[in-house]
Amino acid sequence: DQQVKQNSPSLSVQEGRISILNCDYTNSMFDYFLWYKKYPAEGPTFLISISSIKDKNEDGRFTVFLNKSAKHLSLHIVPSQPGDSAVYFCAASANSGGGADGLTFGKGTHLIIQP
Amino acid sequence: DAGVIQSPRHEVTEMGQEVTLRCKLISGHNSLFWYRQTMMRGLELLIYFNNNVPIDDSGMPEDRFSAKMPNASFSTLKIQPSEPRDSAVYFCASSSGDRGRDTQYFGPGTRLTVL
Repeated sequence: DQQVKQNSPSLSVQEGRISILNCDYTNSMFDYFLWYKKYPAEGPTFLISISSIKDKNEDGRFTVFLNKSAKHLSLHIVPSQPGDSAVYFCAASANSGGGADGLTFGKGTHLIIQP
Repeated sequence: DAGVIQSPRHEVTEMGQEVTLRCKLISGHNSLFWYRQTMMRGLELLIYFNNNVPIDDSGMPEDRFSAKMPNASFSTLKIQPSEPRDSAVYFCASSSGDRGRDTQYFGPGTRLTVL
């Protein structure tokens, strides 16, 4: 049973437009959410995160929105650039009360930016 | 900083053989995570350590899998005996871990093929 779901395996967006990647979760204990970006033959790299006490976090061209009542988050990239073409993973964690916490990942969305 | 280092990058072995994957943490980090990526299940957390102590190994598939941290900067993931269904990309990640929300930095992964 997947606790973090990314229902779109792929998404194609024109360069300069907005890319919107979606993620849903089922575990009410999750209180921290992250997006990772992955290029082929490399490990995932951290992109942006959001705590459950917020509903928006922005970093340059990247904005993450959290809707706790709907258990839904989204990543907006604007404007989209060719270098943004990669697989994007949504991840979540629940605070264990001390030390680091493991992440639960979605299956990823392959974003393709077309020139 | 060289980042998280994993070896080997690729491993091809025959069913029944022992496989050892290695990971060197980023200097100063004290949390270590092992993940596995497959087409069917995506990225899954196998086990993680805080300060060399295993915290959660509920993701380890079965007793054939074992992980250790012989010292604060190094970890091994061993599969004995290996089976074709263990074929996957194995990632380790490290974080400073003290606040439970520090970014996890991933290594490049080890692609394991069991024939």
